[in-house]
Amino acid sequence: QITLKESGPTLVKPTQTLTLTCSFSGFSLTTPRVGVGWIRQPPGKALEWLALIYWDDDKTYSPSLKSRLTITKDTSKNQVVLTLTNMDPVDTATYYCARRPPTGTLHFDSWGQGTLVTVSS
Amino acid sequence: NFMLTQPHSVSGSPGETVTISCTRSSGFITSSYVQWYRQRPGSSPTIVIYEDNQRFSGVPDRFSGSIDSSSNSASLTISGLQPEDEADYYCQSYDSSNRWVFGGGTKLTVL
Repeated sequence: QITLKESGPTLVKPTQTLTLTCSFSGFSLTTPRVGVGWIRQPPGKALEWLALIYWDDDKTYSPSLKSRLTITKDTSKNQVVLTLTNMDPVDTATYYCARRPPTGTLHFDSWGQGTLVTVSS
Repeated sequence: NFMLTQPHSVSGSPGETVTISCTRSSGFITSSYVQWYRQRPGSSPTIVIYEDNQRFSGVPDRFSGSIDSSSNSASLTISGLQPEDEADYYCQSYDSSNRWVFGGGTKLTVL
């Protein structure tokens, strides 16, 4: 059974750096073609893709947020970490992590439950 | 990068057929596969269709995906509408640099 779970602070102040951890089980990030991505969703708004890291450590980022985002993996811990610098109230959202399957198809087949992050002073 | 535009909302009565469109703003819709996700209220998204028209495991055949090159768009069609189909639906694709894009989402209301 594949599971993913996001963890991190629920409240951050403007200008701070957000660090979120995706802990997963049921698959390995050493398996070819597997990836783990981050997606966010402001309250009442649409999904926004943020970043994705692959089994071979290749990484892709949203062009609009690339300068603020960093994604890394720790395969020994089955974790993927996302950092977003210089947080602003507009970054308030539910942050999801999700798996890209080893089939090579470019979709997310399993999602975490999401974690709500509020940016406020 | 390109955008994917969806109608804000669609509706239909039980048993009817509805179609949700997803129009690519630049570049060809056929240059990369389109996926569709469903998000029920208070839940995480789940994959419905991948690679334009492939139903994910467990998705009933009432759901189908298609591509229309003439309008540079993808569509999700749900036939035999059921109350449990009420949800938000998102299309998703990617560019040549493997950067992913989601559409703005469509709220499906079952009347």
